[in-house]
Amino acid sequence: EVHLVESGGGLVQPGGSLRLSCAASGFTFSTYVMSWVRQAPGKGLEWVSVISGCGRYTYYADSVKGRFTISRDSSKNTLYLQMNSLRAEDTAVYYCSKDHPDGSGTHYSDYWGQGTVVTVSS
Amino acid sequence: EIVLTQSPGTLSLSPGERATLSCRSSQSVSSSSLAWYQQKPGQAPRLLIYGASSRATGIPDRFSGSGSGTDFTLTISRLEPEDFAVYYCQQYGSSTRTFGQGTKVEIK
Repeated sequence: EVHLVESGGGLVQPGGSLRLSCAASGFTFSTYVMSWVRQAPGKGLEWVSVISGCGRYTYYADSVKGRFTISRDSSKNTLYLQMNSLRAEDTAVYYCSKDHPDGSGTHYSDYWGQGTVVTVSS
Repeated sequence: EIVLTQSPGTLSLSPGERATLSCRSSQSVSSSSLAWYQQKPGQAPRLLIYGASSRATGIPDRFSGSGSGTDFTLTISRLEPEDFAVYYCQQYGSSTRTFGQGTKVEIK
């Protein structure tokens, strides 16, 4: 059974940094694309970043490009999101997801963790 | 960036009724790489549909997806009490993915 558990959220001041982790189990972690998605309080879902199975390819939403870095450690079956220069508008629940190939070279998120809360405030 | 626009914002229906949700894209979505997710309060999103029309594992057949190019539809044939939730479409055909703003299906 696929299991994703996020951690590392908390309260941080504007301009600060935080590293989120997502511990994965129940599947061969190194062979799957992984993503981060966030949801600000009372708002909709916002895609944040994606990383290929090997970790070589990464993509980011414009809103976080240059501030956030996605990475993975297959020896630990863990996905990371390093968040720097945090702003109030980064306040959200952050979800990690496992992605699945749909046969046409693209991937959709099929399993999600329960999320970790990040609050950016002074 | 591909912008997805969902309509209506809120759909007020009774159990047993049919729900039709729309998702329109600012550009053609390649390879029909469009998914639908359901989200209930305090829960993570749940995958319903991928590839515009393929049901995910364990999803009841009252949920169906259709469309291609720039126009996509999620249909719930007969609403069950557990179907009242927020629904999001997402395109994953480009390297930067995007979500629609969501449609809330509420009990009338």
